[in-house]
Amino acid sequence: GQNIDQPTEMTATEGAIVQINCTYQTSGFNGLFWYQQHAGEAPTFLSYNVLDGLEEKGRFSSFLSRSKGYSYLLLKELQMKDSASYLCAVRDSNYQLIWGAGTKLIIKP
Amino acid sequence: EAGVVQSPRYKIIEKKQPVAFWCNPISGHNTLYWYLQNLGQGPELLIRYENEEAVDDSQLPKDRFSAERLKGVDSTLKIQPAELGDSAVYLCASRTATGELFFGEGSRLTVL
Repeated sequence: GQNIDQPTEMTATEGAIVQINCTYQTSGFNGLFWYQQHAGEAPTFLSYNVLDGLEEKGRFSSFLSRSKGYSYLLLKELQMKDSASYLCAVRDSNYQLIWGAGTKLIIKP
Repeated sequence: EAGVVQSPRYKIIEKKQPVAFWCNPISGHNTLYWYLQNLGQGPELLIRYENEEAVDDSQLPKDRFSAERLKGVDSTLKIQPAELGDSAVYLCASRTATGELFFGEGSRLTVL
């Protein structure tokens, strides 16, 4: 079967750095996405990786290793507004998007 | 409503390395364009899709560039291997039924 694994919940301190991991087993691979979703709102796009390596975007970076079926989202200089769920999703060989359950990130002052 | 989303905004790579750009058009826009734009010049069409079909790819350097839009929604443009002359801004746009183009913010590629 296909599955995406990511931690259910993480807690971090304002101003710190946090890394949210995602591992996947899918039938084929056509890209990995990270989305941010605040409570009661639709997910918003954060990043897309299709090649191995690190993609940096301001305070957020996303890393991919296709051989290991692994990705992480790195958030630096955490702000209270970063409290949200972070969803990992992989597009398989049929171009279907397989979603993880999301990681709820709690930022404490 | 979300606009055209492109990722990454900036990419710096060494020559001969691969690079990929992603574009998610506005929902419902069937036509998707990839353009290349150099400083001080207008956009140059690389490829145009109608749904998942590439209807105009005559300007796409097919020896190193490839693009796909398999489900007729989002699209990926790849360059492998990149050359120094590929440094430019890669723009994605989607079009309404009335012909208006909406551009993403672009992906600026620097090849060292």
